[in-house]
Amino acid sequence: SYELTQPPSVSVSPGQTARITCSGDALPKQYAYWYQQKPGQAPVLVIYKDSERPSGIPERFSGSSSGTTVTLTISGVQAEDEADYYCQSADSSGFSWVFGGGTKLTVL
Amino acid sequence: QLQLQESGPGLVKPSETLSLTCTVSGGSISSSSYYWGWIRQPPGKGLEWIGSIYYSGSTYYNPSLKSRVTISVDTSKNQFSLKLSSVTAADTAVYYCARHVSDCTGGVCAANWFDPWGQGTLVTVSS
Repeated sequence: SYELTQPPSVSVSPGQTARITCSGDALPKQYAYWYQQKPGQAPVLVIYKDSERPSGIPERFSGSSSGTTVTLTISGVQAEDEADYYCQSADSSGFSWVFGGGTKLTVL
Repeated sequence: QLQLQESGPGLVKPSETLSLTCTVSGGSISSSSYYWGWIRQPPGKGLEWIGSIYYSGSTYYNPSLKSRVTISVDTSKNQFSLKLSSVTAADTAVYYCARHVSDCTGGVCAANWFDPWGQGTLVTVSS
């Protein structure tokens, strides 16, 4: 089955830039999406179609894509950004959707 | 503002069928360009897509769960439902329903994402 690979954890100091990667063989042909999940809460979409930001999501959240890797970048990290982040995409068929294993972002 | 709410038993016995319903408010489940999906998250673990349904009844299922999953829709009640049969302890999870946005151009639906999500409901499989 298709898999998306994320690092288990990323740590940054407040004000620094956090980069969370997601790798998958089908990513050159499939869009990627990013979700933020805080403890006890449902996931919230923060990036769609690789780099688009939904309304209400701060400008410090951005996304990019290069080959088989997509990256979520959080510039000027704030304490409130501490959360789990999940990437999501589709397999090569385009009709089966998968999530990465998640990355815990710790703000030191 | 679109809202989704999951409902159903919080405890299911092993080998039985898990049944959940998602009620959609603030919008019509019959809207075009939207599927409606189920996603689950075992305690302390990651997210797993279960399946999605269009208001017409067309479905997509996770291949790893397909043999045990049925998703249905009731447009008159603005609800969609999940049934997962022959459950085991491994099916213990928080189950989320979500709007599955399918962005189609020229008949090709290349962009699919989940937004918004319901608050989730914990289902425990135990005797």
